[in-house]
Amino acid sequence: GENVEQHPSTLSVQEGDSAVIKCTYSDSASNYFPWYKQELGKRPQLIIDIRSNVGEKKDQRIAVTLNKTAKHFSLHITETQPEDSAVYFCAASRETGANNLFFGTGTRLTVIP
Amino acid sequence: DVKVTQSSRYLVKRTGEKVFLECVQDMDHENMFWYRQDPGLGLRLIYFSYDVKMKEKGDIPEGYSVSREKKERFSLILESASTNQTSMYLCASTPFFRPGGTEAFFGQGTRLTVV
Repeated sequence: GENVEQHPSTLSVQEGDSAVIKCTYSDSASNYFPWYKQELGKRPQLIIDIRSNVGEKKDQRIAVTLNKTAKHFSLHITETQPEDSAVYFCAASRETGANNLFFGTGTRLTVIP
Repeated sequence: DVKVTQSSRYLVKRTGEKVFLECVQDMDHENMFWYRQDPGLGLRLIYFSYDVKMKEKGDIPEGYSVSREKKERFSLILESASTNQTSMYLCASTPFFRPGGTEAFFGQGTRLTVV
């Protein structure tokens, strides 16, 4: 099965700095890579995703990059704000019918005002 | 516009009790999942189901079972609760592949304490 590793487990940055979270996956057949944000006491919610036919995707201050050859993908948050403080999960999946979603272990991001 | 609903937010049960956690989704999704969330361990898959009456074991199925009698409902059962099953349980659902996305929607979580 798929194995997703995520680093770092905790990350503290000053407000306005950038944050980068990295994930690797093992199954070369995985082709869908979403990122979820979980604020304290709330449910995880999708913030951005990328498919294996794309190398990079941006949405305002958030971007995700994918290197299929190396089997790794990363989340980049620029100009961080206190409301970016949360736990972030990467995931990998084969985007087929009965698609199982394999999650990384999460990164707790703290943005220091 | 809550899409995935778990029956309880907080639950306290005694060791040895049979515990039912219920999850209902209103998006007509085929896939439903139960995860366990513990600090430092992320989201670990207990069971998932891709159709009514179908189930597949995840990474940590021991001590758990599931039931999916209707498409919208997926139940997690702790046959005999133990203290090491104290955790946050999250239900999620996804559709079969559809152009534009297969976003997972999560329930609000059930924090189970076994005493």
